[in-house]
Amino acid sequence: KQEVTQIPAALSVPEGENLVLNCSFTDSAIYNLQWFRQDPGKGLTSLLLIQSSQREQTSGRLNASLDKSSGRSTLYIAASQPGDSATYLCAVRRGNRDDKIIFGKGTRLHILP
Amino acid sequence: DAGITQSPRHKVTETGTPVTLRCHQTENHRYMYWYRQDPGHGLRLIHYSYGVKDTDKGEVSDGYSVSRSKTEDFLLTLESATSSQTSVYFCAISESGVNNEQFFGPGTRLTVL
Repeated sequence: KQEVTQIPAALSVPEGENLVLNCSFTDSAIYNLQWFRQDPGKGLTSLLLIQSSQREQTSGRLNASLDKSSGRSTLYIAASQPGDSATYLCAVRRGNRDDKIIFGKGTRLHILP
Repeated sequence: DAGITQSPRHKVTETGTPVTLRCHQTENHRYMYWYRQDPGHGLRLIHYSYGVKDTDKGEVSDGYSVSRSKTEDFLLTLESATSSQTSVYFCAISESGVNNEQFFGPGTRLTVL
C-alpha cells in the first residue's frame, strides 16, 4: 500500500531564506507526483507536476525534484516571502490506468516577516 | 483557474437526512474526484469517475454514492448523513493522458448535527 509522508508537519522560517520541503513515498512505482499549496479555508492550488521520467520541474521561485529510486521528492522555495505561508501538500499517482492519487498530510509553512 | 464550482459551499444538516453535493466543471476533463479533508487524516479519496456513468470507489467510500450523467457534473450523495461525515469536501478534475495534473474546486464545508 502506497504511503506518502511529509516531514516536518510545520515549519517557520524568516523571510528571505531559501527552504526545502520534503515528501517521501513507500512505493517507487509512481506515474507522477504533484505539489499543491492550500491557504486556510481554501481549495488546493496546483504548483508543479513531475512525471515519473522527469527529475525536476521549475516554476518561478519553486523547484521540485523527484528521486523515484529513493522514494523522495523535495520542493525548494527560493527567497521566501510572507505570501508563501500556506500548507504544502504532495500527492502521488500510482499509474495511468489506476487513477487513484495518494496525498501526504502536508507541511504547514509560516514565513516570519 | 480551472473552471470548477461546488455547491453548496456550506451546509448544516441533521443526522439521518440525505445530502447531495454537486461539482460542476467547464473544462471538459474526463476524470472527476471527490475527496474529504479532515484534521489528522489529510485528503482521502471517496469516489472517482473516469467518464460518464463510469465510477469507482476510493479509500473511504462507505456511506457515500456518486453519479455522473453528464461530463460536467459529478454528484456526491450521503444517503443518511452521520456526524462522522462532518468534513470539508473537495471536488477535483484531471484530463486523461500524460499530463494528469489535478485541479481542485473551492470545497464544501458540511456539518452534520
